[in-house]
Amino acid sequence: DVKVTQSSRYLVKRTGEKVFLECVQDMDHENMFWYRQDPGLGLRLIYFSYDVKMKEKGDIPEGYSVSREKKERFSLILESASTNQTSMYLCASSLGEGQNANYGYTFGSGTRLTVV
Amino acid sequence: QQQVKQSPQSLIVQKGGISIINCAYENTAFDYFPWYQQFPGKGPALLIAIRPDVSEKKEGRFTISFNKSAKQFSLHIMDSQPGDSATYFCAASMFPYGQNFVFGPGTRLSVLP
Repeated sequence: DVKVTQSSRYLVKRTGEKVFLECVQDMDHENMFWYRQDPGLGLRLIYFSYDVKMKEKGDIPEGYSVSREKKERFSLILESASTNQTSMYLCASSLGEGQNANYGYTFGSGTRLTVV
Repeated sequence: QQQVKQSPQSLIVQKGGISIINCAYENTAFDYFPWYQQFPGKGPALLIAIRPDVSEKKEGRFTISFNKSAKQFSLHIMDSQPGDSATYFCAASMFPYGQNFVFGPGTRLSVLP
């Protein structure tokens, strides 16, 4: 069964800490994404990547960075965590433009991050 | 123009009833419209999707109706079951697909037994 795995289900971090959220997919997907999900705001795109070592800013990149050193792994980094970054973080992957016709995302189960 | 609007925010339906969730978009370049279903503690999962070359797509109890002129699409869940209780997101995308989905804010559906 193909899947997207996020390394932690729950995290509690202190304000100012550097936080790493890890995501691994086993589907050889070219595209990977990081979203945050907040009540009433839906899914908001933070960063995405079309290929190894490539990254693009989404709608809300401030306070975040990403790393994609290998095709299957996409990391989200909170450089200095703040309380307004308390949220559910969802990683997703999808086939690239040159890869066949299934256009949907496959999401991970999410990481609920609390910054105190 | 990138926004996808979704209503209602929450919906309560009796078992066996029909659940209807509506979405509207502005960008006429969108041409792929999926619906995602999310259970508590899980990530969203692709439920059903439609391209604008058809006005309706049905998969089991789930149907997407699409109105291109009105730039609206809706999800109908027939014979709703308690197991359908989840949050539903509509989304829209344009070529190149799989790279640029815009999501609606979500609808929390509760189906009462």
